[in-house]
Amino acid sequence: KAGVTQTPRYLIKTRGQQVTLSCSPISGHRSVSWYQQTPGQGLQFLFEYFSETQRNKGNFPGRFSGRQFSNSRSEMNVSTLELGDSALYLCASSLGLTVRDTQYFGPGTRLTVL
Amino acid sequence: SQQGEEDPQALSIQEGENATMNCSYKNSINNLQWYRQNSGRGLVHLILIRSNEREKHSGRLRVTLDTSKKSSSLLITASRAADTASYFCATDSGSRLTFGEGTQLTVNP
Repeated sequence: KAGVTQTPRYLIKTRGQQVTLSCSPISGHRSVSWYQQTPGQGLQFLFEYFSETQRNKGNFPGRFSGRQFSNSRSEMNVSTLELGDSALYLCASSLGLTVRDTQYFGPGTRLTVL
Repeated sequence: SQQGEEDPQALSIQEGENATMNCSYKNSINNLQWYRQNSGRGLVHLILIRSNEREKHSGRLRVTLDTSKKSSSLLITASRAADTASYFCATDSGSRLTFGEGTQLTVNP
């Protein structure tokens, strides 16, 4: 079974721009969660999608948004980028049948904001 | 702030030695999971221990959970250089997973 894939792997943007990151979950997984990882803040939960609906949301400003498609693929969007948005963005998929099944992580997208 | 807090923040040992990492948390949990992350990469799930379990083994890994003390420990026996990575505990309080800040383990050959 193919693992979780994330595209692109690396991205460089400038302040004020917007960015869209993509995540393809493991086949059969219906839940996709997104996390931001920075050296100072560690792993911070962004949001979780299950069957195209946002099921849970972390404490991030409205500039961070996401969606999930009918094939469970998910995208997250960050608008009006700030320097502090530079981070490794990780997505994780799970069956989503129970509240917290084991999560399988993708390799991440490294976003650098200049 | 993160619910799980790992201790120590960094650990350096020689190959063949055992490595012990601890995790403390604040709220009640359904389960606690341990993950490993190699530098700049995604996390790999290691082991899950449910709130009604006290100890669990998987290969060279041993996890304990003490819900009365709200703490867990991860023991890696007979460590190898390939075990060098960051280790995170993650607690599930019902609505989401919350990760600790991690322990950076370095195993010197």
